[in-house]
Amino acid sequence: RKEVEQDPGPFNVPEGATVAFNCTYSNSASQSFFWYRQDCRKEPKLLMSVYSSGNEDGRFTAQLNRASQYISLLIRDSKLSDSATYLCVVNTGGFKTIFGAGTRLFVKA
Amino acid sequence: NAGVTQTPKFQVLKTGQSMTLQCAQDMNHEYMSWYRQDPGMGLRLIHYSVGAGITDQGEVPNGYNVSRSTTEDFPLRLLSAAPSQTSVYFCASSYYSSTGFYNSPLHFGNGTRLTVT
Repeated sequence: RKEVEQDPGPFNVPEGATVAFNCTYSNSASQSFFWYRQDCRKEPKLLMSVYSSGNEDGRFTAQLNRASQYISLLIRDSKLSDSATYLCVVNTGGFKTIFGAGTRLFVKA
Repeated sequence: NAGVTQTPKFQVLKTGQSMTLQCAQDMNHEYMSWYRQDPGMGLRLIHYSVGAGITDQGEVPNGYNVSRSTTEDFPLRLLSAAPSQTSVYFCASSYYSSTGFYNSPLHFGNGTRLTVT
């Protein structure tokens, strides 16, 4: 079983739609959680950290469920520019950050 | 402030050749790491360093060497290139926060696309 698992998609949604991604992790000792965004043939960039109480950044909302060991990302009012691959990232508290394989999102006009 | 700089951007090697991928950061980050990214696999950690003179292995270290003689530089050496090392390589750095490295986000370089024939 992979340490961090994501639905690879692709998710195809129209502009203005709300879309949600989930990610599960296997190590219950995981300490920190992030969502990164990666555009085609570019480097990953931090989208947002995920806090235990959940957090929001504009149109993006991240949730953490430690009991079920999953993380979610909700994107409201999707824009064309949101088209990218979204990477779920987990760290167990050491020096090794584990990346999921990513979920591809296409937002269409 | 250039952030994390990787060179070269593209490289083609023949099987058995050796080369060094360069990575430099100007943010005074203690932590530096190398990842490779293959289709459907996500980024996998090759080696990492928590400071000058300190390196350790990640998930897929075989066939690669690293050294960290300065805070700024963290080169990755391919000793004898193999077709299985065809991949996109990313260098990343991070700082030590009050709660540890693991709460700090990674800053990535632009990547090196390596093809081994």
